[in-house]
Amino acid sequence: KAGVTQTPRYLIKTRGQQVTLSCSPISGHRSVSWYQQTPGQGLQFLFEYFSETQRNKGNFPGRFSGRQFSNSRSEMNVSTLELGDSALYLCASSLGQQRRTDTQYFGPGTRLTVL
Amino acid sequence: TQLLEQSPQFLSIQEGENLTVYCNSSSVFSSLQWYRQEPGEGPVLLVTVVTGGEVKKLKRLTFQFGDARKDSSLHITAAQPGDTGLYLCAGEILGGTSYGKLTFGQGTILTVHP
Repeated sequence: KAGVTQTPRYLIKTRGQQVTLSCSPISGHRSVSWYQQTPGQGLQFLFEYFSETQRNKGNFPGRFSGRQFSNSRSEMNVSTLELGDSALYLCASSLGQQRRTDTQYFGPGTRLTVL
Repeated sequence: TQLLEQSPQFLSIQEGENLTVYCNSSSVFSSLQWYRQEPGEGPVLLVTVVTGGEVKKLKRLTFQFGDARKDSSLHITAAQPGDTGLYLCAGEILGGTSYGKLTFGQGTILTVHP
């Protein structure tokens, strides 16, 4: 079974621009969660989507948004980029069944650099 | 406030030594995962523990979940250079709106020297 895939793997943008990142979950997984990883803050939860609906949201400004399509693929958008948005953005997929054994599997991440 | 305290942050040891990484919280977790991450890659799942007191072994790695489901440990026996990496504990806090949200520890950077 193919793992979680993320595109693009690397991205360089300038301040003020916007960016869209894509995530394809493991086949059969309906939940996609997004995380931001930085050296200073570690891994922080952005939001989670299940069946095209956002079920949970972390403490990030409204510039960070996402959506999920009917095939469970998800996109994350960051508008008006700031230098501090430079990070590794990770998505993780799971069955989303809210059972204790439901485990998240991570993609390789998108490395975003904002200049 | 860090909900999951992971220690130590850095560990530098010689090949063949044993080590233990700890993950502690004041919150109860419905489950807890351990991941290993290589530079520039996403975390790779090592194990999921769900039952208080549970012990799982994966070759030279032993994982333990505390009886109260508030803490966990990862023990590596006879470490090898290939064990080098960032080790992360993560869990879903019991109750509340925790859909798809993993809370992560700060991570332990392990370096095993030949």
